[in-house]
Amino acid sequence: NAGVTQTPKFQVLKTGQSMTLQCAQDMNHEYMSWYRQDPGMGLRLIHYSVGAGITDQGEVPNGYNVSRSTTEDFPLRLLSAAPSQTSVYFCASSTGQGRSYEQYFGPGTRLTVT
Amino acid sequence: EDKVVQSPLSLVVHEGDTVTLNCSYEVTNFRSLLWYKQEKKAPTFLFMLTSSGIEKKSGRLSSILDKKELSSILNITATQTGDSAIYLCAVDSIPHYGGSQGNLIFGKGTKLSVKP
Repeated sequence: NAGVTQTPKFQVLKTGQSMTLQCAQDMNHEYMSWYRQDPGMGLRLIHYSVGAGITDQGEVPNGYNVSRSTTEDFPLRLLSAAPSQTSVYFCASSTGQGRSYEQYFGPGTRLTVT
Repeated sequence: EDKVVQSPLSLVVHEGDTVTLNCSYEVTNFRSLLWYKQEKKAPTFLFMLTSSGIEKKSGRLSSILDKKELSSILNITATQTGDSAIYLCAVDSIPHYGGSQGNLIFGKGTKLSVKP
């Protein structure tokens, strides 16, 4: 099993550009989520999904969109990048019991917006 | 507002020392508390605690939850340089912003450095 994979590992965007961060898992997990990690701020939940076709907002959803067309994939879209979105982004997945259980994190995407 | 506070924010010890990391929380509807270890990349799961007073152990690491005090500690005995990492505490609860499925609220982490 590859676990949770994320692409790209690094990305530099200009303000106003859009892009999609990819996340995939091969563990047949129902629950997937996106976090951002900023220095001194800890991990904050952006969006999450409890299964294909179902998504919901987390604590900091503004400026991001998600969709979940398959169990495996959970892409995160930045609609119009802003410098405030410079961060490290982690995707995570866990069993159908939800986030209370062990979450497996991807390796992260380091995004810089200039 | 829900919050999770970890202390200390950073800690430097020598190999062989025992350390105690603290996590306190204020959340609306507590479900569980989780500890993660983050080295250079992604956090990796250590423990999940739901019941007060029951210690979870894995090798030299152990953790216990005190629901009365709204806190948890993570102990590491006989520390090694490989224990150097950021240790994250997270609490699962119903979020203040009204999300339907709850949220993992993370603390800012404790950065542990173990010197040879």
